[in-house]
Amino acid sequence: DIQMTQSPASLSASLGETISIECRASEDIYSNLAWYQQKSGKSPQLLIYAANRLQDGVPSRFSGSGSGTQYSLKISGMQPEDEGDYFCLQGSKFPYTFGAGTKLELK
Amino acid sequence: QVQLKESGPGLVQPSQTLSLTCTVSGLSLTSNSVSWIRQPPGKGLEWMGVIWSNGGTDYNSAIKSRLSISRDTSKSQVFLKMNSLQTEDTAMYFCARVDYGSYFDYWGQGVMVTVSS
Repeated sequence: DIQMTQSPASLSASLGETISIECRASEDIYSNLAWYQQKSGKSPQLLIYAANRLQDGVPSRFSGSGSGTQYSLKISGMQPEDEGDYFCLQGSKFPYTFGAGTKLELK
Repeated sequence: QVQLKESGPGLVQPSQTLSLTCTVSGLSLTSNSVSWIRQPPGKGLEWMGVIWSNGGTDYNSAIKSRLSISRDTSKSQVFLKMNSLQTEDTAMYFCARVDYGSYFDYWGQGVMVTVSS
């Protein structure tokens, strides 16, 4: 199985701060990488797919980058509504696997 | 407007079989694929399996021997059956549409399943 190593496990950011979350795959996943935000008690919401494509309706302060085995999610200007858990997903090879998650809080 | 909604029993006894239904609207199962994903309390997400638009299935090898996914296209429903449940199967179970064969864009609200006697 492809292992997705996500870091950091938790992050505290100030209003307006730019933050990054990383996911490293155990093998090349050819940009088949998505990012999700999950708020407490809710289902995950798709933010980014194909490594760098912004899902419709997602604010432009979210962006994704990377290739091969290294990927990152950037939030340019932390907002209060950005608090939550963030997960990466690799959809390159079965079984699809998720990163362990990053808990993002507003400082 | 695409919607998915999971339903099923909230409590299942150990060693019993779990049966869940995902009812979809705003999309056709003959041209869309649906996956099941679960999340134990306070933990990360685990992909369970997928039923493709052509009716074929793929499963996570970790649970393949216990899992079956099927559908009724006329009722717009996808079914999950998993046998030999144990306490570690306690989780929120989600169904989600698969897009481009590699990510999930629409998710249901989830159904919490507790395995306990």
